Amino acid sequence: ETGVTQTPRHLVMGMTNKKSLKCEQHLGHNAMYWYKQSAKKPLELMFVYNFKEQTENNSVPSRFSPECPNSSHLFLHLHTLQPEDSALYLCASSPRWGEADTQYFGPGTRLTVL
Amino acid sequence: ELKVEQNPLFLSMQEGKNYTIYCNYSTTSDRLYWYRQDPGKSLESLFVLLSNGAVKQEGRLMASLDTKARLSTLHITAAVHDLSATYFCAVDGEKGGATNKLIFGTGTLLAVQP
Repeated sequence: ETGVTQTPRHLVMGMTNKKSLKCEQHLGHNAMYWYKQSAKKPLELMFVYNFKEQTENNSVPSRFSPECPNSSHLFLHLHTLQPEDSALYLCASSPRWGEADTQYFGPGTRLTVL
Repeated sequence: ELKVEQNPLFLSMQEGKNYTIYCNYSTTSDRLYWYRQDPGKSLESLFVLLSNGAVKQEGRLMASLDTKARLSTLHITAAVHDLSATYFCAVDGEKGGATNKLIFGTGTLLAVQP
């Protein structure tokens, strides 16, 4: 499998549930990202990881908890979410660390919080 | 505050016509990226413009960058239905791309009518 993959593609959860989103990149890239895409809003950067080290956290609520166990995998753990967290969550990767570059996106997880 | 603004936000055009999407940004970035997103799909990289005066073309799409005016344009020539999508521009979060951050525009939804 090539590129950036994400699972699941669709997720419906209640506000008291705990779930995780998974992202895997097969490109040998050194940086990985989580974005949130809501209707009528610009793409919002949530987290940036270099290997296992998180370097950016754009004031994301603690109910979103990222984990990067190695350079190929990125998780987003979700707990006690709110309905306004319903959105498309996109994972991306880019080749080099410390240098802005083209980012390659996964297909996204469409999250609905009831 | 870093801003990336696109206009128009929505564009309905007829097949065979030409049109231009504009991307204005407030940073001193000298690199700009264009992405395409089909409905329900992820973002696909179209162009990377790396310096002032850069021009890139792919099929019916041509992108240009004027860093002094902080403006990029995406010109569509003789539109076809397959070009219907949302187009995003993005700039480096810091000049010279010293971080991995990209700032995305609001997107332009393009609908090409037969």
